[in-house]
Amino acid sequence: AQTVTQSQPEMSVQEAETVTLSCTYDTSESNYYLFWYKQPPSRQMILVIRQEAYKQQNATENRFSVNFQKAAKSFSLKISDSQLGDTAMYFCAFISQGGSEKLVFGKGTKLTVNP
Amino acid sequence: GAGVSQTPSNKVTEKGKYVELRCDPISGHTALYWYRQSLGQGPEFLIYFQGTGAADDSGLPNDRFFAVRPEGSVSTLKIQRTERGDSAVYLCASSSLDRVDAFFGQGTRLTVV
Repeated sequence: AQTVTQSQPEMSVQEAETVTLSCTYDTSESNYYLFWYKQPPSRQMILVIRQEAYKQQNATENRFSVNFQKAAKSFSLKISDSQLGDTAMYFCAFISQGGSEKLVFGKGTKLTVNP
Repeated sequence: GAGVSQTPSNKVTEKGKYVELRCDPISGHTALYWYRQSLGQGPEFLIYFQGTGAADDSGLPNDRFFAVRPEGSVSTLKIQRTERGDSAVYLCASSSLDRVDAFFGQGTRLTVV
């Protein structure tokens, strides 16, 4: 069974600075996808970024980028130029490709961006 | 619709009552998922539909929980004889044929008193 671990329950960062959220996962599969989702107080899970395991190049989406280390089963999220609107819960998630269709989530990291 | 819609947004019910939670997925999305998110936790998988059929219901905690999707669009999660431990946010998500990017609704916060 796949597991996703987020070891930082809470983090804070000053506006305009950079912060990195950590995630590790465990799987025996070779083909899978990894995601970071943002959940603001509105409760809606918003997809931030996706990484395909077969791609060596790290995904980037504007101020968001990942550091994907497949051998180490590590998938961290870097947020550059942090904005107040980035304050939210962030969840790392895993889905296998061609197997079980369910997302497996970590417990989340609560990020606070301070003015 | 433009996004995944869940109703009601909040539901308070008494212990032992029956509740129904509704999910209206993005138009054209064939895959639909239900997750449950307890306080301070990440979402946990309940059930997955591909079209009208439940392709994977391994996450349903017991036989008090049941979900349907009769026409392959709207889905209803049904909980019988609710217990206080059922209190959580119930999230619905849908995805298209590539079944990779899932789009979530805003959830239904269920409180059993």
